[in-house]
Amino acid sequence: NAGVMQNPRHLVRRRGQEARLRCSPMKGHSHVYWYRQLPEEGLKFMVYLQKENIIDESGMPKERFSAEFPKEGPSILRIQQVVRGDSAAYFCASSPSQGGKNYEQYFGPGTRLTVT
Amino acid sequence: AQSVTQPDIHITVSEGASLELRCNYSYGATPYLFWYVQSPGQGLQLLLKYFSGDTLVQGIKGFEAEFKRSQSSFNLRKPSVHWSDAAEYFCAVGPSIQGAQKLVFGQGTRLTINP
Repeated sequence: NAGVMQNPRHLVRRRGQEARLRCSPMKGHSHVYWYRQLPEEGLKFMVYLQKENIIDESGMPKERFSAEFPKEGPSILRIQQVVRGDSAAYFCASSPSQGGKNYEQYFGPGTRLTVT
Repeated sequence: AQSVTQPDIHITVSEGASLELRCNYSYGATPYLFWYVQSPGQGLQLLLKYFSGDTLVQGIKGFEAEFKRSQSSFNLRKPSVHWSDAAEYFCAVGPSIQGAQKLVFGQGTRLTINP
C-alpha cells in the first residue's frame, strides 16, 4: 500500500511565478490536509479538504493561496505570484473516513519550495 | 486555542543513554496527542499516539510516552538511544472529538546523538 505521495519533491520558482504542489493521499483515504513548515519551525496547518469540499481553510493566507481536492486526481495546493516568504516545505497528510479511531494522519515526504 | 510547547529546542545525548523529550499542551478537554519524528529532508513518521485509556503508550522504535493530565504533559522517552535516533521530534495535539481535523504542532526538538 503506497503511502502519501507528493510531487514535485523540490520546486524552484522566481518571484511572481505560480507554484503548483500535488498530493495523492493513501489508498482509501478521503481526507487531505496541507501544512507548511518554515525553516526552524514546526508545521502549521493550512487547509483541510475532502473530495470536492474545503472543510477548514483557517490556516490559509487570504491572498494568492488556494487548494482543491477534485473528485478525480490529486489534491492541488496553488500559490500564485510567489514571494520569497513562501519558501518553505509544504507537507500533505491524509486520513481515512470518519469513524472509530481514524484520527491518525499520514504524512507525505513534502515539497520544498524555493523562491528566488 | 490549542497550543503545544516543546521547551527544548536542541538536546544532545550520548549513544546508549536514556532520553526524555518534553511536551506540554494547552487544551480545554482531553486531547488526542501525538509524537512524530522527522529525519533531515524527509516527511513525518508517527511514533505513537494517545487517544484514551492507559496513560503510558508504547510506540515504534522503542519509544514510549506518558500522558499526565495534571501536568498537561505528554513526554516522550526512550531507555537507550541509538545513533539512528538523531532527528527532529514533534509533539502534536488534536481536538478530542471524532473526526479528522487539524493538528497543532510544537516547534520541535532536534536530537543529536554523541558517539
